[in-house]
Amino acid sequence: GNSVTQMEGPVTLSEEAFLTINCTYTATGYPSLFWYVQYPGEGLQLLLKATKADDKGSNKGFEATYRKETTSFHLEKGSVQVSDSAVYFCALSDPQAAGNKLTFGGGTRVLVKP
Amino acid sequence: GAGVSQSPSNKVTEKGKDVELRCDPISGHTALYWYRQSLGQGLEFLIYFQGNSAPDKSGLPSDRFSAERTGGSVSTLTIQRTQQEDSAVYLCASSPSGTSGRTYNEQFFGPGTRLTVL
Repeated sequence: GNSVTQMEGPVTLSEEAFLTINCTYTATGYPSLFWYVQYPGEGLQLLLKATKADDKGSNKGFEATYRKETTSFHLEKGSVQVSDSAVYFCALSDPQAAGNKLTFGGGTRVLVKP
Repeated sequence: GAGVSQSPSNKVTEKGKDVELRCDPISGHTALYWYRQSLGQGLEFLIYFQGNSAPDKSGLPSDRFSAERTGGSVSTLTIQRTQQEDSAVYLCASSPSGTSGRTYNEQFFGPGTRLTVL
């Protein structure tokens, strides 16, 4: 079956530091890949997505590139802010299956200190 | 416009009791999903509704769990004879369409219902 593995947190950074959260996946087909973010007290929000190999998703200064050869979708941001403190989830959906239901990684808590 | 809403926001119940959790999707969204976020299992898919089609129940953990969607809109997730391991945050999401294919319709999540079973 499909699965997503992401680095465990918490990750604690200083403001303006570089952030990387590793994500790898296992899928039988060619999944679409996503990063979701959950800010304190808020619901899950889609941060970015990529639907095919070598696509780069980007939003709010975050980027992730769909690497089929390494089955990875690592999230990066060059200079984090305190407001980026949140839990980040890597996820996939199998476009060959009905419903676009999401398979999530375990989540990575990020804390950015001023 | 209004997003996905869920009620109650918090529910504390005693082991063995039944609970009902409600989800109001975004108006016009045909696809509706339930997920569960728990410490031990992370974020996992429970059930999916698409229009008037039979729901995909493949993620329901036991027959104590059931869900319905009335009139293609509001959905209720029911847990019978609750157990302590049912304690989790139950998330609802909706999207314009859940059909398969390379086009992905973004899922919009509600704030969740935190269920605590004592």
